[in-house]
Amino acid sequence: EVQLVESGGGLVQPGGSLRLSCAASGFTFSPYWMNWVRQAPGQGLEWVANVKQDGSESHYVDSVKGRFTISRDNAKNSLYLQMNSLRAEDTAVYYCARDGFRSPFDDWGQGTLVTVSS
Amino acid sequence: DIQMTQSPSSLSASVGDRVTITCRASRAIGNYLAWFQQKPGKAPKSLIYAASTLQSGVPSKFSGGGSGTDFTLTISSLQPEDSATYYCQQYHSYPRTFGQGTKVEL
Repeated sequence: EVQLVESGGGLVQPGGSLRLSCAASGFTFSPYWMNWVRQAPGQGLEWVANVKQDGSESHYVDSVKGRFTISRDNAKNSLYLQMNSLRAEDTAVYYCARDGFRSPFDDWGQGTLVTVSS
Repeated sequence: DIQMTQSPSSLSASVGDRVTITCRASRAIGNYLAWFQQKPGKAPKSLIYAASTLQSGVPSKFSGGGSGTDFTLTISSLQPEDSATYYCQQYHSYPRTFGQGTKVEL
């Protein structure tokens, strides 16, 4: 069974930093593109970033470019999101999601809440 | 960026009804369109990809159609467990974008 478990969320002040982690199990991690998707309270879904199987390529939504960095460690079956210069509008539940070989976001974690507030 | 627009934003239906949700892309995306179901407090679940291909394990009462800019998600014989918010999403180009969601209530 595919399992994706996010951690690292919490309360942070504006301008602060946070690192999210996603631990993958139940499947071979390295062949898959991996994503972060977020959902602000009461709002819809927003794709944030993804990273290629070997970490050599990544893409970001414009609103986080230069502030967030996605990375992965295939040896540890883990995905990360380093978030710097956090803003109130980054407040959201952050989901880790795996792309399938032919489809996006086949499997999702349960999410971790990030709150940016003073 | 490709904008995805869903209609309606919400709908109320009865058990056994057939409902259709529409998703329109701001420019052509071929069939690079997926649908997701999200229940309150839960992570989204993948229903359909490539506009009309059902994910493994998804009941056949869900069906998708369309190509280019106009797409549909149809739920036949609505049941209480289908109450959820449904999102379309394009994966033709970056940034990947979602529709604003359609809340289906029974």
